[in-house]
Amino acid sequence: IAGITQAPTSQILAAGRRMTLRCTQDMRHNAMYWYRQDLGLGLRLIHYSNTAGTTGKGEVPDGYSVSRANTDDFPLTLASAVPSQTSVYFCASSQGSTGGNEQFFGPGTRLTVL
Amino acid sequence: GQNIDQPTEMTATEGAIVQINCTYQTSGFNGLFWYQQHAGEAPTFLSYNVLDGLEEKGRFSSFLSRSKGYSYLLLKELQMKDSASYLCAVRDSNYQLIWGAGTKLIIKP
Repeated sequence: IAGITQAPTSQILAAGRRMTLRCTQDMRHNAMYWYRQDLGLGLRLIHYSNTAGTTGKGEVPDGYSVSRANTDDFPLTLASAVPSQTSVYFCASSQGSTGGNEQFFGPGTRLTVL
Repeated sequence: GQNIDQPTEMTATEGAIVQINCTYQTSGFNGLFWYQQHAGEAPTFLSYNVLDGLEEKGRFSSFLSRSKGYSYLLLKELQMKDSASYLCAVRDSNYQLIWGAGTKLIIKP
């Protein structure tokens, strides 16, 4: 089934630990995104990639890093987790970043940092 | 700064019509999106507006006025399954989406 998968579904993590959230899409979309969603706030863009081999910073990039080695995968790494990174993380992809290209979202990863 | 405003919560009756408003102030405008998000799930695309006017898609319609920085989503013949949050997002001059906090719509029988 075409779409976006994320792993893990949920995770409880000790502060200071390193964590990688995985995201894979099979729609051959050029652009991919990582968002976090916190109660009472809109989705906030962490990092994005307009095409394989390129990445860019979003609104809240501090404490996070990404890579885009190929079209399908876009992992998000927390180098040293802090409690303020407790959130629901959504990966999304789109064919392009202009026009009416809608973003398709993965099911999300619920991360708790203690 | 960039800002998207939507009501936090609305309540409507099954079978009725509801209008969810969105006002925006962004650095540039390259289109406005509406998404639906059921509790505990991912957002899913509903509509896209880039020119002024009304876009109709079944029971859902979306309106845009660029001069007023205003959009609304109109839901007709409400069903219980329409209980969800509705997210307004604007694509800015950097072609990134700026998201509102969402409107939680509660449908009562």
